[in-house]
Amino acid sequence: GEDVEQSLFLSVREGDSSVINCTYTDSSSTYLYWYKQEPGAGLQLLTYIFSNMDMKQDQRLTVLLNKKDKHLSLRIADTQTGDSAIYFCAESMVDTGRRALTFGSGTRLQVQP
Amino acid sequence: DVKVTQSSRYLVKRTGEKVFLECVQDMDHENMFWYRQDPGLGLRLIYFSYDVKMKEKGDIPEGYSVSREKKERFSLILESASTNQTSMYLCASSYVPDQTTYEQYFGPGTRLTVT
Repeated sequence: GEDVEQSLFLSVREGDSSVINCTYTDSSSTYLYWYKQEPGAGLQLLTYIFSNMDMKQDQRLTVLLNKKDKHLSLRIADTQTGDSAIYFCAESMVDTGRRALTFGSGTRLQVQP
Repeated sequence: DVKVTQSSRYLVKRTGEKVFLECVQDMDHENMFWYRQDPGLGLRLIYFSYDVKMKEKGDIPEGYSVSREKKERFSLILESASTNQTSMYLCASSYVPDQTTYEQYFGPGTRLTVT
């Protein structure tokens, strides 16, 4: 079955790098996503990576995928107070026909000034 | 810009009431989803719909039903609200692409309190 796990909380100082980790269990995952949820808002897609890639970089965001260990990480460089939010890892499994995403529990990132 | 709207941001209902949560998307997406979000549990799929009048149960459908009479609108119904249905409800939509990404677009959420 599918299971996506994340740690619940991360605290960093402004200007430092943040690394949010995620593990998943289903090897048939096709795309893996990072969503951001700011207080009182819905989820917003930050970035995604296809399962045949190892890394994707987009400005301050770097996604690393270790398919052997089923481990996904999101690195935010030069973390700002505006990055404080809940970050969700999610996977899609297109081959199974399941159209919904499976989400992790979310990691609350707190950025201290 | 895709827009997914939900009828209420906050809702307070009494135990036993019938509750309707409405969701509308403006991008002609085929797929629509209802999730509930609870602290420490992430998002859990209640129901989804891949076409008008089509629906499939998600991971936690008990106590809920859905309706999709028009492509742009997906309703979540709590037939008889209970206190354990107090939660944040998130609606999402996605389209059926030629490629395989299944990016979902989310509404702002409805925080439902059942007293």
